[in-house]
Amino acid sequence: QKEVEQNSGPLSVPEGAIASLNCTYSDRGSQSFFWYRQYSGKSPELIMFIYSNGDKEDGRFTAQLNKASQYVSLLIRDSQPSDSATYLCAVLRSDYKLSFGAGTTVTVRA
Amino acid sequence: GAVVSQHPSWVICKSGTSVKIECRSLDFQATTMFWYRQFPKQSLMLMATSNEGSKATYEQGVEKDKFLINHASLTLSTLTVTSAHPEDSSFYICSAPVASGRAGETQYFGPGTRLLVL
Repeated sequence: QKEVEQNSGPLSVPEGAIASLNCTYSDRGSQSFFWYRQYSGKSPELIMFIYSNGDKEDGRFTAQLNKASQYVSLLIRDSQPSDSATYLCAVLRSDYKLSFGAGTTVTVRA
Repeated sequence: GAVVSQHPSWVICKSGTSVKIECRSLDFQATTMFWYRQFPKQSLMLMATSNEGSKATYEQGVEKDKFLINHASLTLSTLTVTSAHPEDSSFYICSAPVASGRAGETQYFGPGTRLLVL
């Protein structure tokens, strides 16, 4: 079982719609979870992190965490063409290294 | 957020030569930095952890004699790809962690260095 798994995608959504990205992790002891956005040919940039169960909102982005289900999600509301990118879910291990999922590529159709 | 720079952003070299990549934390100090490699359409793979003032620790399967890491100061880590071969062509990205309260640490990534070995 992979440490971090993301829905495979690619995910195509119309402009203005909600994009929903899912991530599950295997280490029940994991405490901190990160979403990064990576544009083609660029390095990852941090969108947000979450460590408490429930929702965390930042602008058009909402991260959701359910530790009992070992599940993290990211919602992108009012999707824009500029949101077209690969989204990486990452889990902070106990040794402070990040485990990354394979990424989900999102395309927002104008 | 914290700023991490890398230099160079692009490098093309001949097979057998060595290439040095620099990673700098610009507005904070980093006793630890991480080096990743990313092949096309794949996710990031951690290569090694760079530790200021001590030896780097390498992930399983990464040759420490091929990928030399030096973390000489609290703001600079270097990765040297020795005797580079075409299969070393990849996107090399460094990151530096910043303490983030209850989240533990948040890693901020440099812009990456694209290496092409001919």
